[in-house]
Amino acid sequence: DQQVKQNSPSLSVQEGRISILNCDYTNSMFDYFLWYKKYPAEGPTFLISISSIKDKNEDGRFTVFLNKSAKHLSLHIVPSQPGDSAVYFCASWGGTYKYIFGTGTRLKVLA
Amino acid sequence: SAVISQKPSRDICQRGTSLTIQCQVDSQVTMMFWYRQQPGQSLTLIATANQGSEATYESGFVIDKFPISRPNLTFSTLTVSNMSPEDSSIYLCSAEGLADGTDTQYFGPGTRLTVL
Repeated sequence: DQQVKQNSPSLSVQEGRISILNCDYTNSMFDYFLWYKKYPAEGPTFLISISSIKDKNEDGRFTVFLNKSAKHLSLHIVPSQPGDSAVYFCASWGGTYKYIFGTGTRLKVLA
Repeated sequence: SAVISQKPSRDICQRGTSLTIQCQVDSQVTMMFWYRQQPGQSLTLIATANQGSEATYESGFVIDKFPISRPNLTFSTLTVSNMSPEDSSIYLCSAEGLADGTDTQYFGPGTRLTVL
């Protein structure tokens, strides 16, 4: 049972445009959410997080939105740059005291 | 943040053999974890490495297959025992609970294992 879902395995965006990566979760106990970025042959690196008491968190070009009623979060990257090309994982924490990761979305930013 | 290193970065092993992966963190951490990422799948938690006691394994993972050590607050090992081709995967260690008080998990670069 996949509790964290990233339904788009891949996404291509033109440089300078907005990238929107989506993530859905099923467990209402989840109260902390993170996005990780992963380059080939490297471990995931932390990007941005959001607590369930917020609906938006912004850090430079990266903004995460949380819709608790829909159990949905999204990561917006504006403007997208070629260096943003990577696999993005969302992760949830709560209830079971461990992180649960989605399957990832491969973002390709076209120059 | 923390810098986490893993050794080896990759290995090709024969069926039936065992491989021990080392994970070193550059600062003391409360929690260390081992994950597996099989092709096209999400990161799956294998176990929590507990300092000074037996690791806590997730459903589907057992100590005989994946023995784990954590002798101190900065180091852990994961052994993949009696390997089969199904164990081919990327194995990642992660750490949480840095002195800066954040809850973020930091990951090592991963060990790419291929079992023939």
